[in-house]
Amino acid sequence: DAKTTQPPSMDCAEGRAANLPCNHSTISGNEYVYWYRQIHSQGPQYIIHGLKNNETNEMASLIITEDRKSSTLILPHATLRDTAVYYCIVRGNNNDMRFGAGTRLTVKP
Amino acid sequence: DTAVSQTPKYLVTQMGNDKSIKCEQNLGHDTMYWYKQDSKKFLKIMFSYNNKELIINETVPNRFSPKSPDKAHLNLHINSLELGDSAVYFCASSQRGTGYEQYFGPGTRLTVT
Repeated sequence: DAKTTQPPSMDCAEGRAANLPCNHSTISGNEYVYWYRQIHSQGPQYIIHGLKNNETNEMASLIITEDRKSSTLILPHATLRDTAVYYCIVRGNNNDMRFGAGTRLTVKP
Repeated sequence: DTAVSQTPKYLVTQMGNDKSIKCEQNLGHDTMYWYKQDSKKFLKIMFSYNNKELIINETVPNRFSPKSPDKAHLNLHINSLELGDSAVYFCASSQRGTGYEQYFGPGTRLTVT
Protein backbone atom coordinates (compact mmCIF):
# COMPACT_ATOMS: atom_id res chain seq x y z
CA ASP A 1 0.00 0.00 0.00
CA ALA A 2 2.89 2.33 0.75
CA LYS A 3 4.45 4.06 -2.23
CA THR A 4 7.98 3.79 -0.89
CA THR A 5 10.70 1.16 -0.62
CA GLN A 6 13.29 1.17 2.16
CA PRO A 7 15.93 -1.30 3.32
CA PRO A 8 14.63 -3.24 6.32
CA SER A 9 17.61 -2.51 8.53
CA MET A 10 20.85 -0.54 8.76
CA ASP A 11 23.64 -0.09 11.26
CA CYS A 12 25.60 3.05 11.97
CA ALA A 13 28.51 3.84 14.26
CA GLU A 14 27.89 6.42 16.94
CA GLY A 15 29.10 9.85 15.87
CA ARG A 16 29.06 9.02 12.20
CA ALA A 17 26.51 10.15 9.64
CA ALA A 18 23.57 7.86 9.04
CA ASN A 19 22.30 7.87 5.46
CA LEU A 20 18.90 6.26 5.03
CA PRO A 21 17.75 5.71 1.43
CA CYS A 22 14.20 5.62 0.12
CA ASN A 23 12.83 4.85 -3.32
CA HIS A 24 9.57 6.43 -4.46
CA SER A 25 9.64 5.96 -8.20
CA THR A 26 5.88 6.52 -8.66
CA ILE A 27 5.75 9.84 -6.84
CA SER A 28 3.54 12.50 -8.42
CA GLY A 29 4.51 16.10 -8.94
CA ASN A 30 2.48 17.46 -6.05
CA GLU A 31 3.32 14.78 -3.50
CA TYR A 32 5.63 15.48 -0.59
CA VAL A 33 8.27 13.18 0.87
CA TYR A 34 8.00 12.93 4.64
CA TRP A 35 10.26 11.22 7.16
CA TYR A 36 9.16 10.07 10.59
CA ARG A 37 10.77 7.82 13.15
CA GLN A 38 9.40 5.62 15.90
CA ILE A 39 11.44 4.81 18.98
CA HIS A 40 10.30 1.59 20.67
CA SER A 41 6.50 1.81 20.75
CA GLN A 42 6.27 5.57 21.17
CA GLY A 43 4.25 7.72 18.81
CA PRO A 44 5.92 8.46 15.48
CA GLN A 45 8.05 11.59 15.57
CA TYR A 46 8.21 14.00 12.65
CA ILE A 47 11.72 14.55 11.29
CA ILE A 48 11.59 16.48 8.03
CA HIS A 49 9.75 16.79 4.72
CA GLY A 50 10.31 18.18 1.27
CA LEU A 51 8.79 18.56 -2.16
CA LYS A 52 11.60 19.22 -4.65
CA ASN A 53 14.42 21.01 -2.92
CA ASN A 54 16.82 19.61 -0.38
CA GLU A 55 15.85 20.49 3.17
CA THR A 56 17.72 20.80 6.45
CA ASN A 57 16.57 21.31 10.01
CA GLU A 58 18.00 20.80 13.47
CA MET A 59 17.44 17.05 13.30
CA ALA A 60 18.41 16.00 9.80
CA SER A 61 18.90 16.77 6.13
CA LEU A 62 16.74 15.51 3.29
CA ILE A 63 18.29 15.05 -0.14
CA ILE A 64 15.79 14.53 -2.99
CA THR A 65 17.07 13.50 -6.40
CA GLU A 66 16.31 15.75 -9.33
CA ASP A 67 13.82 13.28 -10.82
CA ARG A 68 12.27 12.92 -7.33
CA LYS A 69 12.26 9.14 -7.59
CA SER A 70 14.41 8.68 -4.51
CA SER A 71 15.61 10.50 -1.44
CA THR A 72 18.06 10.14 1.41
CA LEU A 73 17.64 11.12 5.03
CA ILE A 74 20.90 12.13 6.65
CA LEU A 75 21.45 12.20 10.39
CA PRO A 76 24.78 14.05 10.51
CA HIS A 77 26.10 12.74 13.83
CA ALA A 78 24.14 9.70 14.94
CA THR A 79 23.76 9.01 18.64
CA LEU A 80 22.51 5.95 20.47
CA ARG A 81 19.20 7.75 20.96
CA ASP A 82 18.71 7.81 17.20
CA THR A 83 18.15 4.04 17.22
CA ALA A 84 14.61 3.72 15.86
CA VAL A 85 12.49 2.67 12.90
CA TYR A 86 12.59 5.35 10.22
CA TYR A 87 9.66 5.74 7.85
CA CYS A 88 9.77 7.39 4.45
CA ILE A 89 6.29 8.43 3.31
CA VAL A 90 4.89 9.93 0.15
CA ARG A 91 1.98 12.16 1.00
CA GLY A 92 -0.64 13.18 -1.49
CA ASN A 93 -3.49 15.63 -1.72
CA ASN A 94 -5.91 13.57 0.30
CA ASN A 95 -3.93 14.32 3.46
CA ASP A 96 -3.29 10.61 3.74
CA MET A 97 -0.01 9.23 5.07
CA ARG A 98 0.68 5.58 4.27
CA PHE A 99 3.43 4.09 6.36
CA GLY A 100 5.52 1.22 5.03
CA ALA A 101 7.69 -1.17 6.99
CA GLY A 102 10.43 1.41 7.45
CA THR A 103 14.15 0.98 8.12
CA ARG A 104 15.29 -0.16 11.52
CA LEU A 105 18.40 1.90 12.24
CA THR A 106 20.69 0.65 14.97
CA VAL A 107 23.36 3.04 16.18
CA LYS A 108 26.24 1.17 17.75
CA PRO A 109 28.83 2.50 20.21
CA ASP B 1 1.93 21.00 28.12
CA THR B 2 1.73 17.81 26.07
CA ALA B 3 0.82 18.59 22.46
CA VAL B 4 -1.25 15.48 21.68
CA SER B 5 -2.48 13.39 24.59
CA GLN B 6 -4.39 10.13 24.74
CA THR B 7 -6.20 8.34 27.52
CA PRO B 8 -5.94 5.69 28.64
CA LYS B 9 -2.40 4.56 27.92
CA TYR B 10 -3.33 0.92 28.43
CA LEU B 11 -6.74 -0.70 28.03
CA VAL B 12 -7.48 -4.35 28.73
CA THR B 13 -10.99 -5.54 28.09
CA GLN B 14 -13.00 -8.59 27.11
CA MET B 15 -14.49 -9.49 23.78
CA GLY B 16 -17.87 -7.99 23.14
CA ASN B 17 -17.36 -4.92 25.30
CA ASP B 18 -17.64 -1.33 24.11
CA LYS B 19 -14.77 1.05 24.86
CA SER B 20 -13.59 4.55 24.03
CA ILE B 21 -10.17 6.10 23.67
CA LYS B 22 -9.87 9.85 24.11
CA CYS B 23 -7.54 12.21 22.25
CA GLU B 24 -6.88 15.88 22.81
CA GLN B 25 -4.52 18.31 21.10
CA ASN B 26 -3.57 21.78 22.29
CA LEU B 27 -1.80 22.84 19.09
CA GLY B 28 -4.72 24.64 17.51
CA HIS B 29 -4.71 22.20 14.61
CA ASP B 30 -7.84 21.74 12.56
CA THR B 31 -7.32 18.14 11.47
CA MET B 32 -7.03 15.07 13.70
CA TYR B 33 -6.38 11.42 12.88
CA TRP B 34 -6.52 7.91 14.27
CA TYR B 35 -3.98 5.25 13.32
CA LYS B 36 -3.78 1.57 14.21
CA GLN B 37 -0.48 -0.26 14.65
CA ASP B 38 -0.89 -4.01 14.72
CA SER B 39 1.41 -6.71 16.03
CA LYS B 40 3.40 -6.63 12.81
CA LYS B 41 4.13 -2.96 13.53
CA PHE B 42 2.43 -1.61 10.41
CA LEU B 43 0.85 1.80 10.97
CA LYS B 44 -2.41 2.29 9.12
CA ILE B 45 -4.61 5.34 9.08
CA MET B 46 -8.17 4.77 10.18
CA PHE B 47 -9.86 8.17 10.22
CA SER B 48 -9.23 11.85 9.99
CA TYR B 49 -11.49 14.76 10.91
CA ASN B 50 -11.35 18.32 9.68
CA ASN B 51 -13.69 20.89 11.19
CA LYS B 52 -15.98 18.11 12.36
CA GLU B 53 -16.11 16.52 8.94
CA LEU B 54 -14.83 13.06 8.22
CA ILE B 55 -12.46 13.41 5.30
CA ILE B 56 -10.77 10.02 5.30
CA ASN B 57 -12.46 6.79 6.17
CA GLU B 58 -10.36 3.73 5.44
CA THR B 59 -11.95 0.30 5.20
CA VAL B 60 -12.37 -0.15 8.92
CA PRO B 61 -15.31 -2.01 10.44
CA ASN B 62 -18.29 0.16 11.33
CA ARG B 63 -17.80 -0.97 14.93
CA PHE B 64 -15.23 1.83 15.01
CA SER B 65 -16.65 5.32 15.15
CA PRO B 66 -14.73 8.57 15.60
CA LYS B 67 -16.45 11.29 17.59
CA SER B 68 -15.28 14.88 17.63
CA PRO B 69 -17.04 17.11 20.19
CA ASP B 70 -14.85 20.05 19.20
CA LYS B 71 -11.77 20.88 17.14
CA ALA B 72 -9.38 19.90 19.93
CA HIS B 73 -10.77 16.41 20.52
CA LEU B 74 -11.21 13.28 18.46
CA ASN B 75 -12.33 10.25 20.43
CA LEU B 76 -12.43 6.71 19.10
CA HIS B 77 -15.36 4.54 20.13
CA ILE B 78 -15.25 0.81 19.50
CA ASN B 79 -18.30 -1.44 19.78
CA SER B 80 -18.35 -5.20 20.25
CA LEU B 81 -14.61 -5.56 20.63
CA GLU B 82 -12.93 -8.51 18.93
CA LEU B 83 -9.58 -10.23 19.51
CA GLY B 84 -8.28 -8.75 16.27
CA ASP B 85 -8.79 -5.25 17.58
CA SER B 86 -5.83 -5.70 19.89
CA ALA B 87 -3.25 -3.15 18.77
CA VAL B 88 -1.73 0.19 19.61
CA TYR B 89 -3.89 3.11 18.56
CA PHE B 90 -2.30 6.48 17.87
CA CYS B 91 -4.00 9.82 17.61
CA ALA B 92 -2.40 12.62 15.58
CA SER B 93 -3.13 16.17 14.54
CA SER B 94 -1.99 18.66 11.93
CA GLN B 95 -2.98 21.74 10.04
CA ARG B 96 -4.90 20.84 6.95
CA GLY B 97 -2.82 20.34 3.82
CA THR B 98 -0.10 18.03 2.62
CA GLY B 99 2.64 20.50 3.52
CA TYR B 100 2.05 20.24 7.26
CA GLU B 101 3.49 17.59 9.50
CA GLN B 102 1.39 15.44 11.80
CA TYR B 103 2.07 15.30 15.51
CA PHE B 104 1.37 11.98 17.18
CA GLY B 105 0.19 11.10 20.65
CA PRO B 106 1.88 8.49 22.84
CA GLY B 107 -0.51 5.72 21.87
CA THR B 108 -3.06 3.52 23.60
CA ARG B 109 -2.29 -0.17 23.84
CA LEU B 110 -5.58 -2.05 23.58
CA THR B 111 -5.66 -5.72 24.57
CA VAL B 112 -8.83 -7.69 23.98
CA THR B 113 -9.07 -11.00 25.83
